Amino acid sequence: GAVVSQHPSWVICKSGTSVKIECRSLDFQATTMFWYRQFPKQSLMLMATSNEGSKATYEQGVEKDKFLINHASLTLSTLTVTSAHPEDSSFYICSASGGFVEETQYFGPGTRLLVL
Amino acid sequence: AQKITQTQPGMFVQEKEAVTLDCTYDTSDPSYGLFWYKQPSSGEMIFLIYQGSYDQQNATEGRYSLNFQKARKSANLVISASQLGDSAMYFCAMSLLSDMEYGNKLVFGAGTILRVKS
Repeated sequence: GAVVSQHPSWVICKSGTSVKIECRSLDFQATTMFWYRQFPKQSLMLMATSNEGSKATYEQGVEKDKFLINHASLTLSTLTVTSAHPEDSSFYICSASGGFVEETQYFGPGTRLLVL
Repeated sequence: AQKITQTQPGMFVQEKEAVTLDCTYDTSDPSYGLFWYKQPSSGEMIFLIYQGSYDQQNATEGRYSLNFQKARKSANLVISASQLGDSAMYFCAMSLLSDMEYGNKLVFGAGTILRVKS
């Protein structure tokens, strides 16, 4: 149980285009989903927390107009990187939990984004 | 603010031996959870083990055990009988259980790269 999928697993796009990444909890209802960014050989950096049906809470320094997050249902959250630029190239990984504070976060397999 | 420290950037262990990955944490909140995740080269984050701050016994999950020393604020991961497939990056993380504003937001350490030698 506790499977989280992420799509696409990798994407290459031209500078200026927008890219949407989907995160789905396959076998449980995810009240809360988290989006992280990870650079090579570094730790995960939390970008935002999203609760189903409400606006996402962004971490300090993360541009909410650049990284649009929508948590439309209890099983789906999307991250849209708008007008992507080469510096947005990174590994983006989502996680989901049932919403109770003591619950474990289960992670998706991640999406590698390369902006040319 | 809470903080996780992993002081070992990299570790080597011989196959079939045990290895301990260090993790210390800092928080003034009495209610917290400690997690260990494994990240192989594929990038996925695999949940390994959880320890709650009020748990009386150390958590164990198969070959993984968490050496929880509350007074020292340490939560070391012990992997017994190492296997080649254990080679990966390992992250220690903490959540504040009483912080309803943030739910179970995790703070991660810098990670430790483990290499298992045959």
